[in-house]
Amino acid sequence: DQQVKQNSPSLSVQEGRISILNCDYTNSMFDYFLWYKKYPAEGPTFLISISSIKDKNEDGRFTVFLNKSAKHLSLHIVPSQPGDSAVYFCAALKSGSARQLTFGSGTQLTVLP
Amino acid sequence: DTAVSQTPKYLVTQMGNDKSIKCEQNLGHDTMYWYKQDSKKFLKIMFSYNNKELIINETVPNRFSPKSPDKAHLNLHINSLELGDSAVYFCASSHHDRAEKLFFGSGTQLSVL
Repeated sequence: DQQVKQNSPSLSVQEGRISILNCDYTNSMFDYFLWYKKYPAEGPTFLISISSIKDKNEDGRFTVFLNKSAKHLSLHIVPSQPGDSAVYFCAALKSGSARQLTFGSGTQLTVLP
Repeated sequence: DTAVSQTPKYLVTQMGNDKSIKCEQNLGHDTMYWYKQDSKKFLKIMFSYNNKELIINETVPNRFSPKSPDKAHLNLHINSLELGDSAVYFCASSHHDRAEKLFFGSGTQLSVL
């Protein structure tokens, strides 16, 4: 039972356009959400996060939106650049004594020059 | 100077063998993790250690045994390797109170033949 789902395994976008990556979750106990970025032959690296008390968090070209009622979050990248081509993992966390991240399966973003 | 390093990067071995993967972090973190990326690309937590103490032990066969000699090291030993153990294994570390922000190693591609 996957509690964090990324239903699009891949996405292609033209350079300069907006990239929108989507993520759905099922566990209403999650209270913190993150995006990680992974290049080939490297480990994932933290990109941006959002607390469940917010509905938007922005960091430069990256914005994460959270819709708690729909249990949905999205990552917007604008403008997209070729260097953004990577696998993006959505992750969620629930507070508690053993805090651990639950990851989705990732979306491969390809930004075409 | 690599923050989280794991060795080997690639491991090809026969069924039934015993193998180990080593991980070291120089970030001063107190918590270390092992994640497994399976064929469906999900990153799933296997173990978590805080100050050398096991705090998370997900449903993992007991053929997998983590060992943490000190806060900076978390090794993974696998006995009697099976075909289904083939995956990419990632080591990660964090501060205990910042469990959402993980720093990953570059992964170990394990292939069991």
